[in-house]
Amino acid sequence: TQLLEQSPQFLSIQEGENLTVYCNSSSVFSSLQWYRQEPGEGPVLLVTVVTGGEVKKLKRLTFQFGDARKDSSLHITAAQPGDTGLYLCAGEAVSNYQLIWGAGTKLIIKP
Amino acid sequence: GAGVSQSPSNKVTEKGKDVELRCDPISGHTALYWYRQSLGQGLEFLIYFQGNSAPDKSGLPSDRFSAERTGGSVSTLTIQRTQQEDSAVYLCASSFSGGAGEQYFGPGTRLTVT
Repeated sequence: TQLLEQSPQFLSIQEGENLTVYCNSSSVFSSLQWYRQEPGEGPVLLVTVVTGGEVKKLKRLTFQFGDARKDSSLHITAAQPGDTGLYLCAGEAVSNYQLIWGAGTKLIIKP
Repeated sequence: GAGVSQSPSNKVTEKGKDVELRCDPISGHTALYWYRQSLGQGLEFLIYFQGNSAPDKSGLPSDRFSAERTGGSVSTLTIQRTQQEDSAVYLCASSFSGGAGEQYFGPGTRLTVT
């Protein structure tokens, strides 16, 4: 069974600081998705990374897929209160193409 | 176009009662998922429908939980004899192609069992 560990579980920082969220596994994934969820809403896809070593940027957010496709990170530069939310990673299982979900990182950016 | 819709948005029920939660996926999406999410936590997979294939029920926590999808569109998740531990947000998502394709989520149904 493939597992995806996400860390930290909770992060509260001041506006303007940088942060990194990690998703790690001992298994290889075909691709990895990052979602953001705001209170009272469902998760919304931010990005999908497919190739080992791939880096994608979305404004102040930088997503990286590990070379071995076992891990991924989300780095936010100069965090803003609008970045507050629950960040979820989900890896595509090699065996059955289904998504394996991380437990989420609750991020709070204080003004 | 319209996104995924779920109803009701909130449901309070007494322990032991049955509840039905409804999901209207995006038109044309062949795949439909149900998840459960405890407060601020990650997603717990419940069940997956893909086209006319038999659903993947591997995530259903007990035989009190069941789901159906009629005509390849609307889905209903039924919880019988609800227990307090069933309290959570139930999220529905649909996907154009299933598998690891992008999932579009509804706003969820918050279920509270008293």
